[in-house]
Amino acid sequence: AQSVTQPDIHITVSEGASLELRCNYSYGATPYLFWYVQSPGQGLQLLLKYFSGDTLVQGIKGFEAEFKRSQSSFNLRKPSVHWSDAAEYFCAVGAMGYQKVTFGIGTKLQVIP
Amino acid sequence: ETGVTQSPTHLIKTRGQQVTLRCSSQSGHNTVSWYQQALGQGPQFIFQYYREEENGRGNFPPRFSGLQFPNYSSELNVNALELDDSALYLCASSPGTQTGELFFGEGSRLTVL
Repeated sequence: AQSVTQPDIHITVSEGASLELRCNYSYGATPYLFWYVQSPGQGLQLLLKYFSGDTLVQGIKGFEAEFKRSQSSFNLRKPSVHWSDAAEYFCAVGAMGYQKVTFGIGTKLQVIP
Repeated sequence: ETGVTQSPTHLIKTRGQQVTLRCSSQSGHNTVSWYQQALGQGPQFIFQYYREEENGRGNFPPRFSGLQFPNYSSELNVNALELDDSALYLCASSPGTQTGELFFGEGSRLTVL
């Protein structure tokens, strides 16, 4: 069975500081990995995805994530956080031919001036 | 290009009632998935519809049912509402069943009293 662990429920960073959100997944085969962002009262927007190939993937809004198979991790990073990045971030895992995408519990990001 | 739209945005029901939520998929997308997001949780997969048939189901009871129409729009029906059904219901469309990449609507917030 697929599962996703986001160990940090809430993170606070200063504007301009770097950010890393952690994600660990459990899946027997080669996973498809995603990061989504959800602003208050809104749906989820895809930030980036990993299907295969280069393990460092670039996404929208200056985000990137690195797939590390040996650690079963797919951490999200941003070198300099902006106040508009305050939102909730969800890591998710899926697979080719598999209908279900499994989401983590989410990490709420607070950005302070 | 029109994105995923859901209706209604908010609704309040009482325990035991029935509810129907509606979703129009993004242009060109033939697959619709429904997710339930309880407060403080990540989205949970309810089911997926492809070619007007259910194409995968999560761990939800049969009182959760759905439909997909020839224009790829979809409905989620929940019978015999329970208090725990209070949640944000998210519809997501995708261009096929294979990629796992989901495009979400803004959701329907259901409150059961």
